[in-house]
Amino acid sequence: DAKTTQPPSMDCAEGRAANLPCNHSTISGNEYVYWYRQIHSQGPQYIIHGLKNNETNEMASLIITEDRKSSTLILPHATLRDTAVYYCIVRVKNYGQNFVFGPGTRLSVLP
Amino acid sequence: DAGVTQSPTHLIKTRGQQVTLRCSPKSGHDTVSWYQQALGQGPQFIFQYYEEEERQRGNFPDRFSGHQFPNYSSELNVNALLLGDSALYLCASSLGGSRGAAPQHFGDGTRLSIL
Repeated sequence: DAKTTQPPSMDCAEGRAANLPCNHSTISGNEYVYWYRQIHSQGPQYIIHGLKNNETNEMASLIITEDRKSSTLILPHATLRDTAVYYCIVRVKNYGQNFVFGPGTRLSVLP
Repeated sequence: DAGVTQSPTHLIKTRGQQVTLRCSPKSGHDTVSWYQQALGQGPQFIFQYYEEEERQRGNFPDRFSGHQFPNYSSELNVNALLLGDSALYLCASSLGGSRGAAPQHFGDGTRLSIL
């Protein structure tokens, strides 16, 4: 079973920031938080990951709370092309560990 | 720099047949994982290959088998196909048997339909 819970769906206006929450209250100290997204008919696309510090790359920012029990993925200026299912996953930094996907959040960016 | 490539993109089979799906990992990657994604659900892990051996397996029957070649490419074989095997089959590659925190990179999958 997935170790994360996410809202099933969210809407965001084009050009505004999209903030996608994720709860991982049982996360362990050696587990990373990963975010992927999946646009219709494509494979999951890696977005960002982090352990305990906030992370930023060209796609998004990842904010992890101090107690690490939740995180937020921020798309600073959402576009219509950001409409997708977003998956939040926790994974142990360990040999052979693979990703356990939950149902994710379906983000709809509206014009 | 080529990403993960999968073939074929679409496939139609009938119940009881056998199928082979193929995956070439991203350049520089040596580990391949396979996932099954039913319509409307998240991907489910099937197994992972590293150093030409199956290293980890999810909750899938023995009808699902695989192979990794010396060039790191991989095949997924499914025998005695069932209607429930209809799904998108995804291949993901990574480096070093998923050690460390490096993410997996996914291909766009093979859409398998069973009639």
